[in-house]
Amino acid sequence: NAGVTQTPKFRILKIGQSMTLQCTQDMNHNYMYWYRQDPGMGLKLIYYSVGAGITDKGEVPNGYNVSRSTTEDFPLRLELAAPSQTSVYFCASKSSYEQYFGPGTRLTVT
Amino acid sequence: QKEVEQNSGPLSVPEGAIASLNCTYSDRGSQSFFWYRQYSGKSPELIMFIYSNGDKEDGRFTAQLNKASQYVSLLIRDSQPSDSATYLCAVGTQGGSEKLVFGKGTKLTVNP
Repeated sequence: NAGVTQTPKFRILKIGQSMTLQCTQDMNHNYMYWYRQDPGMGLKLIYYSVGAGITDKGEVPNGYNVSRSTTEDFPLRLELAAPSQTSVYFCASKSSYEQYFGPGTRLTVT
Repeated sequence: QKEVEQNSGPLSVPEGAIASLNCTYSDRGSQSFFWYRQYSGKSPELIMFIYSNGDKEDGRFTAQLNKASQYVSLLIRDSQPSDSATYLCAVGTQGGSEKLVFGKGTKLTVNP
């Protein structure tokens, strides 16, 4: 049981490039989330999903897109990367009350 | 904009002391409250949750909730160096726990 896995662990993007951050969970959770965490800050919700085919915006969705075609996978797409998107990205899935976090992806946009 | 405020810290306590971490929230309709621990460079992990007014104890950890004052706290008794981490307070919105709003966290250092 791997829990929540994320790839890649690290990535450097040039301004204007695009990429997809991958997230997979094997706990059969319906709820999944994407957060970003800037240095010295808490987590900000980007997008979340309550089940396959259903997604909704969080606090900071601009510049990102998501899809949820299966229960297991919840990829996050960055289009036209900007320096303001430099951050650590965490994916999470939720049981009845607890959110389980993946190890994170550290993204730098230069 | 729903907000969660925490003491910015850092908080430093000697080994064996009680560490007290505080959190206030703006959404009076919130019903679920969580404390996550995050070691440097790692992902957050849940250590306590509380739904009802009063105290909830789990080993060395006690969560306290006062909905009238919109205040939640975490006490760590007999603090250990391994407790050194950032503690994130998170509050459920919309009366549930589907979406959480996180505070900025309080960095705790326990000195041997």
